[in-house]
Amino acid sequence: DGGITQSPKYLFRKEGQNVTLSCEQNLNHDAMYWYRQDPGQGLRLIYYSQIVNDFQKGDIAEGYSVSREKKESFPLTVTSAQKNPTAFYLCATQTGLGTDTQYFGPGTRLTVL
Amino acid sequence: SQQGEEDPQALSIQEGENATMNCSYKTSINNLQWYRQNSGRGLVHLILIRSNEREKHSGRLRVTLDTSKKSSSLLITASRAADTASYFCATDALIQGAQKLVFGQGTRLTINP
Repeated sequence: DGGITQSPKYLFRKEGQNVTLSCEQNLNHDAMYWYRQDPGQGLRLIYYSQIVNDFQKGDIAEGYSVSREKKESFPLTVTSAQKNPTAFYLCATQTGLGTDTQYFGPGTRLTVL
Repeated sequence: SQQGEEDPQALSIQEGENATMNCSYKTSINNLQWYRQNSGRGLVHLILIRSNEREKHSGRLRVTLDTSKKSSSLLITASRAADTASYFCATDALIQGAQKLVFGQGTRLTINP
């Protein structure tokens, strides 16, 4: 999992609550990504950021928000507008633009009660 | 926006046997990558093969790429119990004006002792 930390490892949320998932990296990578993974499925891109103070929507951004105030941090907020948030969330980094190797954090499993 | 699809979805073999997984994709690529995911963990990069390469080796891993057939295969030789994991191919695709990695749904590999 390298120099990428995600917290918490497990998160439980009541319906109607917003929750924020943390992703921190010490790899000095410019690009950071958030993916959602449902059981037995591949990864779907939620948001990504290529530089500080800039981010772009991915394929399934509705109900999520992000910020990139520091190079090292890319927190993801799951809002109450996300109707089916129970999933495994993965943060990844990449050295820069393009589609070379991505490095993944250990993930956060979010469960809505 | 799924680009790569793995086949088979699940594979169960005996320890010591070879495991072969396939990935097909739809549009032209710059590179193709394979990742491994142990249950409940983040993805780990295994190997990257560029579009002008046909074969690449890394330890017990052998990856081939056939751009004319838009397909790739991952061969794991002399499998071990520790190889039990899900394996994903990822291809680059131009989405909304930016190059992004797109992951397939993965092959679940089980190595039986």
